[in-house]
Amino acid sequence: AQSVTQLGSHVSVSEGALVLLRCNYSSSVPPYLFWYVQYPNQGLQLLLKYTSAATLVKGINGFEAEFKKSETSFHLTKPSAHMSDAAEYFCAVMNTGNQFYFGTGTSLTVIP
Amino acid sequence: DGGITQSPKYLFRKEGQNVTLSCEQNLNHDAMYWYRQDPGQGLRLIYYSQIVNDFQKGDIAEGYSVSREKKESFPLTVTSAQKNPTAFYLCASSIGQGAADTQYFGPGTRLTVL
Repeated sequence: AQSVTQLGSHVSVSEGALVLLRCNYSSSVPPYLFWYVQYPNQGLQLLLKYTSAATLVKGINGFEAEFKKSETSFHLTKPSAHMSDAAEYFCAVMNTGNQFYFGTGTSLTVIP
Repeated sequence: DGGITQSPKYLFRKEGQNVTLSCEQNLNHDAMYWYRQDPGQGLRLIYYSQIVNDFQKGDIAEGYSVSREKKESFPLTVTSAQKNPTAFYLCASSIGQGAADTQYFGPGTRLTVL
């Protein structure tokens, strides 16, 4: 069965600092991987997705993620945090049956 | 503008009442999904539908029911059998044609049972 683990339910960074949100997956085959962002009381917005093309995936708002098969990881990064990045971030994996499995989320706080 | 709408945004109901949450999409997507979100638990799949007039149970279907009579609409009924219905409910849709099929989400409905 597929699963996703997000290490750290809360992450705080200073404005301008590097953002690193961790995601590890368990899958017997290379999966499709996604990162979503959720602002308070809103739905989820797609940041980026990995579909077995380039291992470094660039998304919206300056975010990117690197697929590392050897580490079964898909960590999300952004070189310089902005106040508007404060939100909940979800990593998700999709299996061959098109079912999504979501991580439990990481809440990002940006300190001015 | 294409998108997914959910109504209402906030919903209050008395314990023991059934309540129906609306989800409509104009993206011409075949597949639609309902998730429940609770603090610290991420999203859990309630029901999904890959095509009109067909739907399958997700991981936590007990106490919920759905219908898919039209491609655009996938309403969710929270019945009185659902033991803890207070939560944030998210509807999503996808093209439904296979691999790497991104799910797009509506704005959600926050249900509070008093």
